[in-house]
Amino acid sequence: DAMVIQNPRYQVTQFGKPVTLSCSQTLNHNVMYWYQQKSSQAPKLLFHYYDKDFNNEADTPDNFQSRRPNTSFCFLDIRSPGLGDAAMYLCATAPEAGSNQPQHFGDGTRLSIL
Amino acid sequence: GDSVTQMEGPVTLSEEAFLTINCTYTATGYPSLFWYVQYPGEGLQLLLKATKADDKGSNKGFEATYRKETTSFHLEKGSVQVSDSAVYFCALSSRGGYQKVTFGTGTKLQVIP
Repeated sequence: DAMVIQNPRYQVTQFGKPVTLSCSQTLNHNVMYWYQQKSSQAPKLLFHYYDKDFNNEADTPDNFQSRRPNTSFCFLDIRSPGLGDAAMYLCATAPEAGSNQPQHFGDGTRLSIL
Repeated sequence: GDSVTQMEGPVTLSEEAFLTINCTYTATGYPSLFWYVQYPGEGLQLLLKATKADDKGSNKGFEATYRKETTSFHLEKGSVQVSDSAVYFCALSSRGGYQKVTFGTGTKLQVIP
C-alpha cells in the first residue's frame, strides 16, 4: 500500500544535541508538510515543500530546519533541541495545491528531550 | 483568517449511544471541510470530507453535512462502538495557493462498554 512512513517512531535526544527526523512517501505527492503536535493540542504547521519550493511558517523557530533531497524523502532537523521541543512530529503529504485533496499523515515520531 | 471551533471534550458515551461533535468554521470563500481521527499513538487519518455546500461526507457509519448557511460541519454517528474511542479533529482547507489546513483543537471521545 502507498503510504507515509516516519522513522523512528520514538526518538530520545539530549538537551542541545542536534536531531534529525525522517519521512518517506510512496504516494508520489508533490507537497510534504511537517507539523508539531503537543499533548491534547491540534497539529501546528512548521513548514511545507511544494515540490522543491520551501515555505516556512512565520512563527516557526529558526531552530527548526528541513531538507527535501527528492520527491520521496523529507527531513526535519532540530539544531539545538530545548525542553519545549518535546512533542509528536507529524509528516503529511498532499498530491497538489488543490484544496479538496486530503492530507495523508504518517504515524509520527515522538521526540523526548533529556 | 481562517478558524475552526469544535466542542471541547472529553466526550464520554456508552456503547451504542448517538454521537454528535459540533464544528463551526470561519473562512473566506468556499473551503473544503474534513474530519480527521487520531487513535492513540498514531497519526491523523482522514475520516470523511465535503468539498461544497450541502455535500454529505460519510465513512464507517460517521456522517457530516457541509452547511454553508450555518458555517457548520457537525460529525454524527448513530451507534458508537468502543473502537471509536479516539480524538476527532475538524479541519478546513481554503481554496487557492497551496493546501494549508486549519485544524480545530480536537475532541476526545471515550466509549465505554
